Amino acid sequence: GQQLNQSPQSMFIQEGEDVSMNCTSSSIFNTWLWYKQDPGEGPVLLIALYKAGELTSNGRLTAQFGITRKDSFLNISASIPSDVGIYFCAGLSLNTGNQFYFGTGTSLTVIP
Amino acid sequence: KAGVTQTPRYLIKTRGQQVTLSCSPISGHRSVSWYQQTPGQGLQFLFEYFSETQRNKGNFPGRFSGRQFSNSRSEMNVSTLELGDSALYLCASRMGTNEKLFFGSGTQLSVL
Repeated sequence: GQQLNQSPQSMFIQEGEDVSMNCTSSSIFNTWLWYKQDPGEGPVLLIALYKAGELTSNGRLTAQFGITRKDSFLNISASIPSDVGIYFCAGLSLNTGNQFYFGTGTSLTVIP
Repeated sequence: KAGVTQTPRYLIKTRGQQVTLSCSPISGHRSVSWYQQTPGQGLQFLFEYFSETQRNKGNFPGRFSGRQFSNSRSEMNVSTLELGDSALYLCASRMGTNEKLFFGSGTQLSVL
């Protein structure tokens, strides 16, 4: 199935640094979701976005629904060791079977 | 409110056997979808059920099947297991079409 382009693929950062990642699609989406997944566990929903241009925060996390509706961004401020994990996006298009498509994931490593 | 519950958590099977995985969605959620996750392929969509009807299906062979019961609980069956079926199988539920998607912890299947 279709997968979204997510970048970067991996990041190694110092504790306290800010992190940015993004997802892009060739299709227009109606909803963007961002998840964090720990090894061997299920993804945990972080943020949901429903409108173009929408900016939503969840603690140190901020995500934006791109104006073109073909991209989304996730920022993590002042990273801490427990932010380690794989982050991925999911997009929903109501025009293609109401099915979610997923990004390839960004692996984040935080160095204390 | 309880989250998405998947059982069993771990499974070890041998080639040729069959396996049934179970998923109980969040109370009130009528849509249940299944995904296969492997390190190389990421999240791959298997199928989605809504009110006991299969609504969408991914590109997997007929050995992969599912069903949903009247209480929204869902099962996934894989017959004639192959080594390549080793993966984390994730179940997710949502209330409606343009709603947040919540994942369970997954069933880690190992085929020997």
